Amino acid sequence: KNEVEQSPQNLTAQEGEFITINCSYSVGISALHWLQQHPGGGIVSLFMLSSGKKKHGRLIATINIQEKHSSLHITASHPRDSAVYICAVKDTGRRALTFGSGTRLQVQP
Amino acid sequence: DAGVIQSPRHEVTEMGQEVTLRCKPISGHNSLFWYRQTMMRGLELLIYFNNNVPIDDSGMPEDRFSAKMPNASFSTLKIQPSEPRDSAVYFCASSPTTGLGYEQYFGPGTRLTVT
Repeated sequence: KNEVEQSPQNLTAQEGEFITINCSYSVGISALHWLQQHPGGGIVSLFMLSSGKKKHGRLIATINIQEKHSSLHITASHPRDSAVYICAVKDTGRRALTFGSGTRLQVQP
Repeated sequence: DAGVIQSPRHEVTEMGQEVTLRCKPISGHNSLFWYRQTMMRGLELLIYFNNNVPIDDSGMPEDRFSAKMPNASFSTLKIQPSEPRDSAVYFCASSPTTGLGYEQYFGPGTRLTVT
């Protein structure tokens, strides 16, 4: 079983829809990252979380440490949100980052 | 600021050749990370430096890979000898704060093809 599981793997939405991407992990962590990879390949760090909730524009990220789960929400989705969203965790026991396999999101106009 | 700069953007080489990838982090950042991305394995952290010192290289696949950071503004990732299975996109990222628990800024990546 992978240490970091993302769901869904693929997601197609209509413009304007509310989108949720999930990340579950099996290890104790000190931080969780959400990354966005554009179709051209560039990677942008969206959030770094260690507890609670963060909001940036239409993006909201939450984490529940007890349940070992994080969600990334996109409100009022737009075709430019089409990208691969990747979750990564910093394991408390290791000096490393473990990545999920990513969620490919396509928002149709 | 120009962001993280990587060179070359594309590299095609023959098996057995030495390959050197270069990275210039954002000025003032204290941590630098090298990642590899393949279709099969996704994103993997290879090695990271805090204040020019390698902290963890457990992600480096084998002895053919080596990384250096001679100063705060430059790092290299070298593969010698290269093999076809090294074909991947290699990303460099930097962070203003030491460690893995802080926001990272990624470079555009170097696409390496080993034939």
